Order: sequence, then structure tokens, then C-alpha cells
Amino acid sequence: DIQMTQSPSSLSASVGDRVTITCRASQTISTFLNWYQQKPGRAPQLLIYAASSLQGGVPSRFSGSGSGADFTLTISNLQPEDFATYYCQQSYSAPYTFGQGTKLEIK
Amino acid sequence: QLQLQESGPGLVKPSGTLSLTCTVSGDSISNSGYYWGWIRQPPGKALEWIGTIYYSGSTSYSSSLKSRVTISVDTSKNQFSLKLSYVTAADTAMYYCARQSSGHLDASDFWGHGTVVTVSS
Repeated sequence: DIQMTQSPSSLSASVGDRVTITCRASQTISTFLNWYQQKPGRAPQLLIYAASSLQGGVPSRFSGSGSGADFTLTISNLQPEDFATYYCQQSYSAPYTFGQGTKLEIK
Repeated sequence: QLQLQESGPGLVKPSGTLSLTCTVSGDSISNSGYYWGWIRQPPGKALEWIGTIYYSGSTSYSSSLKSRVTISVDTSKNQFSLKLSYVTAADTAMYYCARQSSGHLDASDFWGHGTVVTVSS
């Protein structure tokens, strides 16, 4: 199975900040990398698929990059509603494993 | 608008079988290009992919759960189901059903709200 490692596990930031979350795969996965946002008590929501494609309705302050084994999710101009947990997932080879999550908290 | 709704018992006894159903509305489960899957999340922990099924019945499962998992589809009812046998407390989790879209490189673009399953005697 492909292992996905996210860093950091948690992050404190302020409204208006720019933050970056990284995700590393244990082998190359091309651009088969997805990012999800999960708020407490809610189902995850797809933010970015194929490493850098923004899902419909997602604000443009979210962006993704990377290919091969290293990927990043960047959130510019943090808004109060962005404080949540973020997960990466590879969809290159089943089982489609998730990272352990990054909790973004208000500083 | 596509909607997915999980249903099933919220309490299962240890060594029993967990059975959940996901009802899809707003689109046909038989449309090509989509797989239908299950993901779970133990309390306070990360998401875990369980497996998926295509309307034809083709399945793919988690390596760690493969020996205990069966996912099936009923196209006449626009539903798909999860069975997990020989459950233990470690299977206590929120269980989500989701659509996996080939147009999104197999990302899960629609999710149900989830249902809590507790394994306890």
C-alpha cells in the first residue's frame, strides 16, 4: 500500500495569513493527489483533485501543487471558515490511502 | 442535486457483522465513470478508505480489511452496501459513503453525512 505522510500534524495561524501543508507519498503517484477539508462534526469536502485542480465552488485562495511524490496545499489570506482539518489522499493505486491529517487552528 | 444517505444499525455486538446501506438520489448509480465507496473515521482519528464498487459489481478493498469486508450494489434500488464481519471495538467509527469520480482522477466528490457505528456488548 502507498503511505501518505502529512506535515505538520497541527498548525496555528491567524486570519489573513498564508499557510502551506505538505503531503509526501511513499512512491511516485504522478498527480493522483486529492485534498479534503473536514470541519468538526461534518463530512469531508473535496477541495482539490489531480494535485492542482480546484473543485467547483472552492474559493481561489486554496491552491495545490506538486507531482511525483511531494505535494503542497496552500491557503492564502486565511478566513475564519478555513480553520479545519485537512487530509491528502492518493488515488493512484488502490487502496486509496489518506494522510493522517493536519489540524489548522486559530492563533 | 446528488445526495447520499447512510443507514443501518448504530450498535453492533463484538464478533458480529456490521451492515450499512447507502442510498443514492439525484443520479443513477449505474452511470459510467463513477465508483461508489465507503470511508470510515474512528473517533478523533484520520480517515480510512475501506473500498469501492462499480455498478457492474467490480470491487476494490482495503488491504487491512479485505478478509472481513464485502461491498455490494443493488442498481434496481440505487443503493450499495457494506458488510464488515467479526467486528471489534476497533471498528467503532463514523462510516461515510461517497462517490468516486473518474473525471476527478478518482477523488471522492460527493459524500454522505455519515453514520456512527459503535461496537459494544
